[in-house]
Amino acid sequence: KQEVTQIPAALSVPEGENLVLNCSFTDSAIYNLQWFRQDPGKGLTSLLLIQSSQREQTSGRLNASLDKSSGRSTLYIAASQPGDSATYLCAVPIDYGGSQGNLIFGKGTKLSVKP
Amino acid sequence: GEEVAQTPKHLVRGEGQKAKLYCAPIKGHSYVFWYQQVLKNEFKFLISFQNENVFDETGMPKERFSAKCLPNSPCSLEIQATKLEDSAVYFCASSQSISARDRDGYTFGSGTRLTVV
Repeated sequence: KQEVTQIPAALSVPEGENLVLNCSFTDSAIYNLQWFRQDPGKGLTSLLLIQSSQREQTSGRLNASLDKSSGRSTLYIAASQPGDSATYLCAVPIDYGGSQGNLIFGKGTKLSVKP
Repeated sequence: GEEVAQTPKHLVRGEGQKAKLYCAPIKGHSYVFWYQQVLKNEFKFLISFQNENVFDETGMPKERFSAKCLPNSPCSLEIQATKLEDSAVYFCASSQSISARDRDGYTFGSGTRLTVV
């Protein structure tokens, strides 16, 4: 059974710092891994989707890496800003034997960037 | 549209009342997923649809929860005789494909916050 873990649960950094959020999964046979952002009282915004064949994906100041063999992904945020404050979740789809099923989520990392 | 639209945003029900939540997936997306978020970040999968057919209902509480996706109508999640423990945010997500090679992932709506009092 796939389990997704995120460390740390909460992180507080001063503005301008580079930071890394961690995500690990127990079953390395994944199709992809998706990083989301959730603002308080809001829905999920997809940040990056990494396919199993990819090592990393970049979007602006965000860079996500994937190491399937070790069951790990990291989300790197460069030059953090107060507007980056949110909860970051990673998720992987369950395997329906060739198709993707529902997502299994980590519990998220709550990031606070202080001005 | 290009977003998953969930209504209402907030719903308050007295214990024992019925609650009905709606989700309009992105046009062209064949797959719809419902999740329940309780205790802050714990996401629990409830049910998924491929068009109007149930795809996976392994997460659905059998007794009081039901869901439908009918042609030309928003999908719906209905809770009969709500309990206090049903208080949560209910998210809907849609996807064009569930192929292993799908490159778009899942798009989530902004959720419906259900409060049972």
